[in-house]
Amino acid sequence: EAQVLESGGGLVQPGGSLRLSCAASGFTFNNYAMSWVRQAPGKGLEWVSVISGSGGSTYYADSVKGRFTISRENSKNTLYLQMNSLRAEDTAVYYCVKEKLVRPVFDYWGQGTLVTVSS
Amino acid sequence: DIQMTQSPSTLSASVGDRVTITCRASQSISSWLAWYQQKPGKAPKLLIYEASSLESGVPSRFSGSGSGTEFTLTISSLQPDDFATYYCQQYNSYSRTFGQGTKVEIK
Repeated sequence: EAQVLESGGGLVQPGGSLRLSCAASGFTFNNYAMSWVRQAPGKGLEWVSVISGSGGSTYYADSVKGRFTISRENSKNTLYLQMNSLRAEDTAVYYCVKEKLVRPVFDYWGQGTLVTVSS
Repeated sequence: DIQMTQSPSTLSASVGDRVTITCRASQSISSWLAWYQQKPGKAPKLLIYEASSLESGVPSRFSGSGSGTEFTLTISSLQPDDFATYYCQQYNSYSRTFGQGTKVEIK
């Protein structure tokens, strides 16, 4: 069965940087688009970014465009999210999510990693 | 950007009730809509995609309908395990957008 496991969350000061990683297993990683979805404490879900299976196409929510970079290393079955110029409003649980083949819906979710932006 | 609006925000119901949640898109998204269930402290779970296709392993009491801009998620007979928050998600455009969520509470 497909599994994804996030790591790299933690406490960072406003303006700082953090890189999240997501290790995938149980499926042919390079066949599937992958997304990051976040959830601020007590709030709803917000899609952050998506990357195609090859890594050649990426898209971002307006709220993170220009500050976050999604990437993947297919040889290592690993997804990344580089987060720069972090703001308090970026505080959230960040989920790594596998998308269905050809359909941009999220069928496997990690357990999430908490990012806290605070001084 | 396409905006998704769910109603109601909170719903109080009893075990055995038929429950309906509505999701409206700010522009037509054809049938490119999914529904998720989330319980406290857990990751969301995919229930329905393409507006009405039931994800494997999801109980048949869950169903989805609609197209264009208006969609519904129906739980035919609410079970104790169904008390949770439900989110719709569009995928018509290259971006993906969630609704704000509907919390189903015990009456």
